[in-house]
Amino acid sequence: DAKTTQPNSMESNEEEPVHLPCNHSTISGTDYIHWYRQLPSQGPEYVIHGLTSNVNNRMASLAIAEDRKSSTLILHRATLRDAAVYYCILRGIANFNKFYFGSGTKLNVKP
Amino acid sequence: NAGVTQTPKFQVLKTGQSMTLQCAQDMNHNSMYWYRQDPGMGLRLIYYSASEGTTDKGEVPNGYNVSRLNKREFSLRLESAAPSQTSVYFCASSWYPGQGATNYGYTFGSGTRLTVV
Repeated sequence: DAKTTQPNSMESNEEEPVHLPCNHSTISGTDYIHWYRQLPSQGPEYVIHGLTSNVNNRMASLAIAEDRKSSTLILHRATLRDAAVYYCILRGIANFNKFYFGSGTKLNVKP
Repeated sequence: NAGVTQTPKFQVLKTGQSMTLQCAQDMNHNSMYWYRQDPGMGLRLIYYSASEGTTDKGEVPNGYNVSRLNKREFSLRLESAAPSQTSVYFCASSWYPGQGATNYGYTFGSGTRLTVV
């Protein structure tokens, strides 16, 4: 299975943009890049996903490198509520039903 | 729109006791999953059900059994609880290719916090 690598933790100031990186150098052509986040004491929640093109939704933007070996989740204006663990996961044909979560990036947002 | 509902939210068991964790989804998803999350760790897949009538093992299936009761419900059973099974258990559901969806993201329940003493 293709693996992802994320920093263990990051810190941001409130109302500033946050760029959360993810490396996935062994990604296959059919793997979608998914991002989830887990707020304290809650289940993970879907944030965004993409295949090749950059994606935007109301929560965040996903920037995917041209070679697809890395991606960046962008929170345009961090709020205290965005403090969470963010998981970058690859989902493809081979592992479609085996969504493996790594340890993610713990984002701390300072007031 | 309830999404994924898990019961109970909290449970304390004695070693050797059995219990069943219940999960139900109302989104007409085909696929359902059980994960466990130990303190400070990521989630690990226990079992999944790609569609009604099928179940398969994930990363850490030992000590657990599952039942896909119908399309909506997927239960996880601990036959003889052990302290190592103290964890937070999450159920999730998802569309599966062929259901006509474009978003195959997971929807998670709020979890069951299980302590085995």
